[in-house]
Amino acid sequence: DIQMTQSPSTLSASVGDRVTITCRASQSITSWLAWYQQKPGKAPNLLIYKASSLESGVPSRFSGSGSGTEFTLTISSLQTDDFATYYCQQYRTYPWTFGQGTKVEIK
Amino acid sequence: EVQLVESGGGLIQPGGSLRLSCAASGFTFSSYAINWVRQFPGKGLEWVSTITASGSADRIYYADSVKGRFTSSRDNSKNTLYLQMNSLRAEDTAVYYCAKALQWDNAFDIWGQGTMVTVSS
Repeated sequence: DIQMTQSPSTLSASVGDRVTITCRASQSITSWLAWYQQKPGKAPNLLIYKASSLESGVPSRFSGSGSGTEFTLTISSLQTDDFATYYCQQYRTYPWTFGQGTKVEIK
Repeated sequence: EVQLVESGGGLIQPGGSLRLSCAASGFTFSSYAINWVRQFPGKGLEWVSTITASGSADRIYYADSVKGRFTSSRDNSKNTLYLQMNSLRAEDTAVYYCAKALQWDNAFDIWGQGTMVTVSS
């Protein structure tokens, strides 16, 4: 199975900060990577697919990059609504696997 | 509005069976792969199963943790996905989500609200 490792596990930041979350795959997944945002008690919400494609309706402050085994999610200017947990997911090979999550907290 | 609504969760004893349903609306259900994903209490996400648009037996995929115990199926005439869960274990306790895949990409763009399954005596 492909292991997905996110870092950091928790991130403390302030409104307006630039935030970067990293996701590493245990083997190449080319660009088959998605990023999701999840708020407490809610289902995850797709932000980015195919590593860098912005899902319709998602604010442009979110961006994704990377290929192969290393990927990043960047929030250019953190907003109050962005405090949540973020997950990466590979869908290159079954079983599809998620990272353990990165919780973005208010500093 | 594109929507998925899960139902069928509840409290079940170890070794028991439960069938979850996922009712779809607002899109052409038969054209999309649909997935089951679960979330353990207070923890991360685990992919459970994918059933492709055709729903044929050779195009249904399962996580090793549920293979042989869970069966995914779809009824395109009813716009509904099912997850038959047998031989349930305490470690199957989770919120179960169904999630629709994008048309030409397998990322999950629409999720249901989730249904809680608790396996406990």
